[in-house]
Amino acid sequence: KAGVTQTPRYLIKTRGQQVTLSCSPISGHRSVSWYQQTPGQGLQFLFEYFSETQRNKGNFPGRFSGRQFSNSRSEMNVSTLELGDSALYLCASSLSVSQETQYFGPGTRLLVL
Amino acid sequence: AQKITQTQPGMFVQEKEAVTLDCTYDTSDPSYGLFWYKQPSSGEMIFLIYQGSYDQQNATEGRYSLNFQKARKSANLVISASQLGDSAMYFCAMREIMNTGNQFYFGTGTSLTVIP
Repeated sequence: KAGVTQTPRYLIKTRGQQVTLSCSPISGHRSVSWYQQTPGQGLQFLFEYFSETQRNKGNFPGRFSGRQFSNSRSEMNVSTLELGDSALYLCASSLSVSQETQYFGPGTRLLVL
Repeated sequence: AQKITQTQPGMFVQEKEAVTLDCTYDTSDPSYGLFWYKQPSSGEMIFLIYQGSYDQQNATEGRYSLNFQKARKSANLVISASQLGDSAMYFCAMREIMNTGNQFYFGTGTSLTVIP
């Protein structure tokens, strides 16, 4: 079974631009979560989606948004990029929203110049 | 207060020896899950082991075991027979189950170096 895939793997943007990251979960998994990882803040939860609905959101500004499609694929969007948005963005999928294990994708490394 | 605390920024272990990575957590919810992940330099987070708050037995997965002490809110990872490929960052994480959705918290990680 294929793992979680994320595209693109690397991205360079400039301040003020917007970016969209994509995540395809493991087949059959309906829950997708997003995380931001930076050297200073570590791993921080962004949001969780299940059945096309955002279930919960971490403490991030409204510039960070996401959505989930009927096939469980998810996208994350960051508008008006700031230098501090440079990070590794990780997506994780699980079967549902109970206590099942999450499986992570390889991440998208975003550099904002 | 920190939800997940990993007090060991770096650890060294001799190849073939066992090592314990510490993790304490803070929650008032009765239902939660605890996880350990490994992150090599490539960046991908690799799931190692999971322990549910209602599980009576300590979780084990091959060379990995989780020493779950609920009253002490401790979930230490034990790696037996360390291998050179075990050198990586290790993160302890908690998932709080809420009506509105789940909240996830990660520790700051422990960098493990296996010495030949």
